[in-house]
Amino acid sequence: DGGITQSPKYLFRKEGQNVTLSCEQNLNHDAMYWYRQDPGQGLRLIYYSQIVNDFQKGDIAEGYSVSREKKESFPLTVTSAQKNPTAFYLCASQQQGALGQYFGPGTRLTVT
Amino acid sequence: GDSVTQMEGPVTLSEEAFLTINCTYTATGYPSLFWYVQYPGEGLQLLLKATKADDKGSNKGFEATYRKETTSFHLEKGSVQVSDSAVYFCALSNSNSGYALNFGKGTSLLVTP
Repeated sequence: DGGITQSPKYLFRKEGQNVTLSCEQNLNHDAMYWYRQDPGQGLRLIYYSQIVNDFQKGDIAEGYSVSREKKESFPLTVTSAQKNPTAFYLCASQQQGALGQYFGPGTRLTVT
Repeated sequence: GDSVTQMEGPVTLSEEAFLTINCTYTATGYPSLFWYVQYPGEGLQLLLKATKADDKGSNKGFEATYRKETTSFHLEKGSVQVSDSAVYFCALSNSNSGYALNFGKGTSLLVTP
């Protein structure tokens, strides 16, 4: 089955630790995106990548970093510089020229 | 910059009632418009989309028409079911941001038997 996987579903970390969220897709999509969702809020764009080895900052990139070494993978690192990291993180992908993104199931990160 | 505004929820309806969720947008150029649905604890699923003025997107009994004159993309369904209970997000994408989605804040819908 083609799709997007995010692991783990729930993640707990202590304040001051970096943590990396996984996102893998086997849809052969060119573009991948990371969004953050907070209660009562829409999704906000963190980073996106339209091609391997290239990525762009979104609206709330501060305190986050990404890499795109392979087409199918787009991991997100939440660094200790992110002041309020507890949130639901969603990864998405899109084929170039198509409209609409496919979303993964999300990772809920809790930092205490 | 681009933005999406949708009606605040929660919206509570009885089964078989008519549903309207309002969505308006501000954007440069010619954005594409979307409705996504999110069930509890899950990611988002694309419900419908429209790419140009007067296009009507439809899926599973839901419809929305791209109205450029009123910059709107209101979601409608003639008869809701309990299984439609979810959070609905209106969104737009534009070429000037790598086709990333710009979302409204979401509207929670609860349908009661």
